[in-house]
Amino acid sequence: RKEVEQDPGPFNVPEGATVAFNCTYSNSASQSFFWYRQDCRKEPKLLMSVYSSGNEDGRFTAQLNRASQYISLLIRDSKLSDSATYLCVVTTGGGNKLTFGTGTQLKVEL
Amino acid sequence: DTGVSQDPRHKITKRGQNVTFRCDPISEHNRLYWYRQTLGQGPEFLTYFQNEAQLEKSRLLSDRFSAERPKGSFSTLEIQRTEQGDSAMYLCASATLRTEAFFGQGTRLTVV
Repeated sequence: RKEVEQDPGPFNVPEGATVAFNCTYSNSASQSFFWYRQDCRKEPKLLMSVYSSGNEDGRFTAQLNRASQYISLLIRDSKLSDSATYLCVVTTGGGNKLTFGTGTQLKVEL
Repeated sequence: DTGVSQDPRHKITKRGQNVTFRCDPISEHNRLYWYRQTLGQGPEFLTYFQNEAQLEKSRLLSDRFSAERPKGSFSTLEIQRTEQGDSAMYLCASATLRTEAFFGQGTRLTVV
């Protein structure tokens, strides 16, 4: 079993739709959680950190469920510019090691 | 300092040759990571430095791979006797205890 698992998609949604991604992790000792965004042939960039209390940044909401060991990302009112791959990231070992999921591909269409 | 810098951006090499990549992290970032990414996959952890100390190395890394960070600033990743399976994007990232990891634009390696 992979340490971090994501549905690879692609998720094809119309502009304005709400879309949700889930991610599960296997190491219960994982400490920090993030969503990164990666555009085609570009480097990953931090989208948002994920806190136990949940957090929101504009149209993006991230949730963490430690008991079930999953993380979610909700995108509301999706834009064409949201088209990208969304990577779930988990840290272990004192935050020393970042483990990435395979990524979920999102395509927002007109 | 505009971010993490990697050199070269692209490298084409013949099978069996050695290659070396360089990463210059953001100034004062004491943590430095190397990852490898292939098409359709997420970045795969290779190794991690805190200052000049290599604290963790993936079991995926064969003895053909070696990384150094001699003065705790820039780092190099060397691949000896390259194989076609080594073709990938090699990503470097840096961080501090209080920041997220920032990635460089990567070095795309093609082994022919």
